Amino acid sequence: DQQVKQNSPSLSVQEGRISILNCDYTNSMFDYFLWYKKYPAEGPTFLISISSIKDKNEDGRFTVFLNKSAKHLSLHIVPSQPGDSAVYFCAASPNYGGSQGNLIFGKGTKLSVKP
Amino acid sequence: DAGVTQSPTHLIKTRGQQVTLRCSPKSGHDTVSWYQQALGQGPQFIFQYYEEEERQRGNFPDRFSGHQFPNYSSELNVNALLLGDSALYLCASSLVGTGQETQYFGPGTRLLVL
Repeated sequence: DQQVKQNSPSLSVQEGRISILNCDYTNSMFDYFLWYKKYPAEGPTFLISISSIKDKNEDGRFTVFLNKSAKHLSLHIVPSQPGDSAVYFCAASPNYGGSQGNLIFGKGTKLSVKP
Repeated sequence: DAGVTQSPTHLIKTRGQQVTLRCSPKSGHDTVSWYQQALGQGPQFIFQYYEEEERQRGNFPDRFSGHQFPNYSSELNVNALLLGDSALYLCASSLVGTGQETQYFGPGTRLLVL
């Protein structure tokens, strides 16, 4: 049973427009959420994170929104650039003994940004 | 500042063999986690090492074992390899702290079992 779901396997966006990637989770014990970007033949690269006590976190062109009641988070990229084309993974983590527990990943969404 | 490094980058083994993968954490980090990523899937947690002890373990059989050394580097060992063990093996490091630590990933080791 998947605890973290990314229901859109792929997304295509025009350069300069907004990209919105969505993620749903089922476990209410998750208290830390992260987005990673992955290029082929590379490991995941950390993008942005959010704690469960917040509902929004911004870092440059990237903003993550968390809706705890809906168990939903989204990543907004504005404006989208061709270099953003990659697979994006949503990950969630429970607290474990006061530090971060294991990451549980979704299956990823492949973003294509067209010039 | 060196990031997470893994070796080797690629490996080919046959069924029944044993394999050892290695990971050096990012400078200043004390915790190493290992993940398996099958094609088309997200990474799946294998186990985490902290203070040279296995701290957490995912749903993987005992054929998967690990070790952490005093310098925080880590090894993942897989015995009696199966075809289904073919995957990208990722190492991630972090620093134990507040519960909001970020795990940083290495480039991975791609294992092919024939």
